[in-house]
Amino acid sequence: DTGVSQNPRHKITKRGQNVTFRCDPISEHNRLYWYRQTLGQGPEFLTYFQNEAQLEKSRLLSDRFSAERPKGSFSTLEIQRTEQGDSAMYLCASSYRGTYEKLFFGSGTQLSVL
Amino acid sequence: GENVEQHPSTLSVQEGDSAVIKCTYSDSASNYFPWYKQELGKRPQLIIDIRSNVGEKKDQRIAVTLNKTAKHFSLHITETQPEDSAVYFCAEGKGGAQKLVFGQGTRLTINP
Repeated sequence: DTGVSQNPRHKITKRGQNVTFRCDPISEHNRLYWYRQTLGQGPEFLTYFQNEAQLEKSRLLSDRFSAERPKGSFSTLEIQRTEQGDSAMYLCASSYRGTYEKLFFGSGTQLSVL
Repeated sequence: GENVEQHPSTLSVQEGDSAVIKCTYSDSASNYFPWYKQELGKRPQLIIDIRSNVGEKKDQRIAVTLNKTAKHFSLHITETQPEDSAVYFCAEGKGGAQKLVFGQGTRLTINP
């Protein structure tokens, strides 16, 4: 499968713990996005990178959230001191910046905070 | 602010009939309108998109129409099949894919 890859698929953690998710985009894509999706809702934008630069962050992204894309390839999303409200599907997506840019999603990481 | 209203929230049609889902947006600067299909437990998949320089786009049984003046766009699925059952999301963006704003989703059920 040469699509967007996310690990792990599922993560169960206790409130207050830190978690980290990984995303591997489609290889030729230079943009990488993180979205969050809760049950019955559409995805909500969190942040995006162009190559290694983080260009925009949503106000939804509290100080407990940090994302990196150190070499412009894979990305990590870390949530510190998790709260029950962080429980959601975290979706990664990638695209190639160009005239007809299209966004392709990974299968997501389902986070459950107990 | 940015907002996309999607209707209906649920839609049930007989196999072979047509289904229409509508979205309304508020930002006149929006120029990119994709539609995603999400099956239970799976990733959202891009099924069709349209940019503001065209009014209609068709791909086999799927079509999207855009009315820039009224700020609404619609997904049309003809000759529906059971595998069309899924949740469909509309979205809007400016200047390309980037920061998409999604609608609330429509759960489409095709009855055999």
